[in-house]
Amino acid sequence: GQNIDQPTEMTATEGAIVQINCTYQTSGFNGLFWYQQHAGEAPTFLSYNVLDGLEEKGRFSSFLSRSKGYSYLLLKELQMKDSASYLCAVRDSNYQLIWGAGTKLIIKP
Amino acid sequence: ETGVTQTPRHLVMGMTNKKSLKCEQHLGHNAMYWYKQSAKKPLELMFVYNFKEQTENNSVPSRFSPECPNSSHLFLHLHTLQPEDSALYLCASSQTGTSGEETQYFGPGTRLLVL
Repeated sequence: GQNIDQPTEMTATEGAIVQINCTYQTSGFNGLFWYQQHAGEAPTFLSYNVLDGLEEKGRFSSFLSRSKGYSYLLLKELQMKDSASYLCAVRDSNYQLIWGAGTKLIIKP
Repeated sequence: ETGVTQTPRHLVMGMTNKKSLKCEQHLGHNAMYWYKQSAKKPLELMFVYNFKEQTENNSVPSRFSPECPNSSHLFLHLHTLQPEDSALYLCASSQTGTSGEETQYFGPGTRLLVL
C-alpha cells in the first residue's frame, strides 16, 4: 500500500529552528508538496519538490531525497504564527496526491 | 484568501436531513476536488472533476452526491448521513495538464456535524 509518515506533534521555541520529517512509500513519484494548515483554516501551499535537493523560500526550506523516499521541511527563526499543522503529500504515478496525517507544530515563547 | 470559497462554513444536520455544500473557485482552474478531513487522519480524496467530468470516485458512499455544473462551481449533496460523517469537508482546485506543479489550492472548508 501507499504510505506517508510524519511525526504527529512537535514542540519548538520561538526564534529557534525546527525540522519536520516526512517519509513516503508510494507507487511512483511525481512530486512532493508541503502545506501549512492553521486550526480551522484551509491548507495553504508552502513548497514543491520534484528533484533531489534543497528548495529555499525565505524562512522555510524543503529538502527531497527520492532514493531514500524522504523529505523534510525546515523552519528557521520560528515565530508564534508558525504554530500550525504541516502536511506532507506525494503525487503518485496516477497523479493522485497521497497525504500524511500532518504534524502539529507547537511554538513556545 | 486562496481564491476558493466554500459555504456554509459550519453545518449541523440530523441524520434524515438533506443539505448541500457549495464551492466556487476564482482561479480559472480546470479541476476541482472534494476532500474529507477527520481529526488526526490524512486527507481523504472523495471526488475529482476535470473539465466538469468526474474522473475519480474513491469508493464514497452514495449518501454523498457531487455535482459540477461548470468548471468554477462544485457541490456536494448530502442525505441520510451518519454521525461518523462528521468532519471538515475541503474543496480544492488546480490547473491540470500543464506538466508543472499543478498545485491544489484549498477553500476554508465546511465543518459538518451530524447528530
